[in-house]
Amino acid sequence: AQKVTQAQTEISVVEKEDVTLDCVYETRDTTYYLFWYKQPPSGELVFLIRRNSFDEQNEISGRYSWNFQKSTSSFNFTITASQVVDSAVYFCALSEGGTQGGSEKLVFGKGTKLTVNP
Amino acid sequence: DVKVTQSSRYLVKRTGEKVFLECVQDMDHENMFWYRQDPGLGLRLIYFSYDVKMKEKGDIPEGYSVSREKKERFSLILESASTNQTSMYLCASSFPGQYNEQFFGPGTRLTVL
Repeated sequence: AQKVTQAQTEISVVEKEDVTLDCVYETRDTTYYLFWYKQPPSGELVFLIRRNSFDEQNEISGRYSWNFQKSTSSFNFTITASQVVDSAVYFCALSEGGTQGGSEKLVFGKGTKLTVNP
Repeated sequence: DVKVTQSSRYLVKRTGEKVFLECVQDMDHENMFWYRQDPGLGLRLIYFSYDVKMKEKGDIPEGYSVSREKKERFSLILESASTNQTSMYLCASSFPGQYNEQFFGPGTRLTVL
């Protein structure tokens, strides 16, 4: 069965600190996709990034970076120089191929609540 | 921009009532999903639909049903609401394909008294 583990339930940092959110996954599929979503206090989940199982290049987008390592089944997310606006719950998710044509599901981790204090 | 809207942000119902949660998307997505979110449990899939009138059970379908009569609308129905269905309900939609991200609505916080 596919599974996503976010071992850090809550993290609290002071503004400008760097912070890494961990994500470990389990799957038997050879082709899969990993996602990160942000859920700010307003409640709406916002898509941040997608990574497929064949692309292990790290990605950087501004202060955000992602480290995908198949050898350790991890897809970690780092925020550099954190800001108060980064305070949110962050979810890691794994795509699961569906049995019906066109049906696909996401398996979510339980989320990590990040609080950035001024 | 993709827009997923949910009929209510907050809803209070009584035990035993029939509850309808509505979700509408405007991006012509084939797939639509209903999740519930509870503290410490993350997002759990209730039902999803990959086409009009097609539905598939998720991880926790008990006590819920769904309806998809039109492509843009996906309804979640609580036939007889119970207090343990007090939760945040999130709707999402996407194009088919394992690689496509899901777009989420703002959520409905349902309280069952």
